[in-house]
Amino acid sequence: GNSVTQMEGPVTLSEEAFLTINCTYTATGYPSLFWYVQYPGEGLQLLLKATKADDKGSNKGFEATYRKETTSFHLEKGSVQVSDSAVYFCALLYSSASKIIFGSGTRLSIRP
Amino acid sequence: EAGVAQSPRYKIIEKRQSVAFWCNPISGHATLYWYQQILGQGPKLLIQFQNNGVVDDSQLPKDRFSAERLKGVDSTLKIQPAKLEDSAVYLCASSLFGGQGFAGANVLTFGAGSRLTVL
Repeated sequence: GNSVTQMEGPVTLSEEAFLTINCTYTATGYPSLFWYVQYPGEGLQLLLKATKADDKGSNKGFEATYRKETTSFHLEKGSVQVSDSAVYFCALLYSSASKIIFGSGTRLSIRP
Repeated sequence: EAGVAQSPRYKIIEKRQSVAFWCNPISGHATLYWYQQILGQGPKLLIQFQNNGVVDDSQLPKDRFSAERLKGVDSTLKIQPAKLEDSAVYLCASSLFGGQGFAGANVLTFGAGSRLTVL
């Protein structure tokens, strides 16, 4: 079936460090892929998305590339800030069911 | 635009009691979702409405959970009777469309959630 697997957290980094959060997926067909972020005390917000293979989504310095050959959608940022501390969720949409499923989330903490 | 509104934000009840959560989606959004997010896990879809019809409720525990979306706008999720394992955050989300096609239209906007504690 369709599923999303994320690297387990928590991930703790120092400010200005390079960030990678791994996400791989299993899906039939050609899903769309998303990263959502949940800041403390807030609801989930869309961070970025990619709708087809080789697309790169980007927002707020974060990037992720839809890699069909490795079924991956890893989230990266070159220099993290304290304000990036949050929980990050990878998600996929399989349009045959118009259904979005989420990974288990990765908690990121950035030290000043 | 106004976001997705949910209430109450917090609720504490005893097991076997009942509880109801309310959601008002973004105006004009045809699709409404209820997700359950247990601590440390990703959101799990409970039910998806397209206008006022149910698209998917395969993971809704129908012996105790019910949901309705009257007139295709507001929605209510009810739990009766509650169990300890129902302790979670209940997230409501809406999107412009829910069907196949343009994935951009399937971007979900979430409310802040309703945190339920069952004692």
